[in-house]
Amino acid sequence: QKEVEQNSGPLSVPEGAIASLNCTYSDRGSQSFFWYRQYSGKSPELIMFIYSNGDKEDGRFTAQLNKASQYVSLLIRDSQPSDSATYLCAVRTQGGSEKLVFGKGTKLTVNP
Amino acid sequence: GEEVAQTPKHLVRGEGQKAKLYCAPIKGHSYVFWYQQVLKNEFKFLISFQNENVFDETGMPKERFSAKCLPNSPCSLEIQATKLEDSAVYFCASSPTGGNYGYTFGSGTRLTVV
Repeated sequence: QKEVEQNSGPLSVPEGAIASLNCTYSDRGSQSFFWYRQYSGKSPELIMFIYSNGDKEDGRFTAQLNKASQYVSLLIRDSQPSDSATYLCAVRTQGGSEKLVFGKGTKLTVNP
Repeated sequence: GEEVAQTPKHLVRGEGQKAKLYCAPIKGHSYVFWYQQVLKNEFKFLISFQNENVFDETGMPKERFSAKCLPNSPCSLEIQATKLEDSAVYFCASSPTGGNYGYTFGSGTRLTVV
């Protein structure tokens, strides 16, 4: 089982809709969870991180974490064409390593 | 500076040649990470440093890959005798506190082995 799994998509939503991106992870001891956005040909950019169960909101973005289900999601409200990118879920696992383990990403397209 | 600076942006090497990539972390960041991105999205962890010390090298193909972070110099990732499958974008990232708050990535070096 891969450590961090995401639906590769592509996910297509109309402008103004809510985009929902999902991620599951295998290491129950994982501590920190991150969402990165990567535009084509560019480097990943950190948009949200979450440590505790529940929701964390930042502008149009909401990260949701459920450690019992080993599930983390990202909601993008009022989606804009500029949100079209690949969204990478990353997890900091237990064990003392500071590395992040990345999922393969979900490609999101927001249609005007 | 406030960005992770990677050089060169593009590198083309013939199979069997050496490739050397450089990364200057954000000033004050003590952790440096190298990742390899192949097939567009798959990120593979290679190695991390805490200051000039190797912190985690579990992802490094030991035979041909090596990396260093020396004081007052950019960090480097070197690939001896490149192979076609080494073609990828190599990202460097830095962080002040390890992985706890995520990292800041550089713009990457695209290595093409022909």
